[in-house]
Amino acid sequence: NAGVMQNPRHLVRRRGQEARLRCSPMKGHSHVYWYRQLPEEGLKFMVYLQKENIIDESGMPKERFSAEFPKEGPSILRIQQVVRGDSAAYFCASSPRQTWETQYFGPGTRLLVL
Amino acid sequence: SQQGEEDPQALSIQEGENATMNCSYKTSINNLQWYRQNSGRGLVHLILIRSNEREKHSGRLRVTLDTSKKSSSLLITASRAADTASYFCATEETSGSRLTFGEGTQLTVNP
Repeated sequence: NAGVMQNPRHLVRRRGQEARLRCSPMKGHSHVYWYRQLPEEGLKFMVYLQKENIIDESGMPKERFSAEFPKEGPSILRIQQVVRGDSAAYFCASSPRQTWETQYFGPGTRLLVL
Repeated sequence: SQQGEEDPQALSIQEGENATMNCSYKTSINNLQWYRQNSGRGLVHLILIRSNEREKHSGRLRVTLDTSKKSSSLLITASRAADTASYFCATEETSGSRLTFGEGTQLTVNP
């Protein structure tokens, strides 16, 4: 039973490019949560999605960031026109139901914006 | 200060010693969780303590929760070099809207 998968593990982008981060939840999990971790800091909640629905995006910047979790395929976190301040580790977690108690985290995608 | 602040920021001990990390928070919570993060890796859930619990054990881990002081502590007994990692507390607020993480404590256990 594979855990939460994220790819790519490392992503380098130049300012102004788009970054696309993917998260495949654990088998049987239909709830996905995205977090951002800046260097030397804790994780900050960004967005919570169920299949085909955004439940809570209150932690996501209003511009340039978007997330989706289609009926088929992985959840995608998209960052348009990246800036240096977007450099961070992006983690997704999944759960079989809506819960803040037991979330299973992926290994993260480390984004570096040059 | 933020919800979920860990203290100390960094801790260095010798193998075999106990390590104690503290976490303070500001709002009412449903539960408090502790996670470990090895360098460059994802988070691993260690233990959850509910707001109506005062102490919980799991192996070499002991967690306490004092809701009157809005604080929690994580004790790792008989530490090992493999315990070297960052440790984060996270709170689920009673509003239930999200999980809020602290800044973490970097623990180094020297062999």
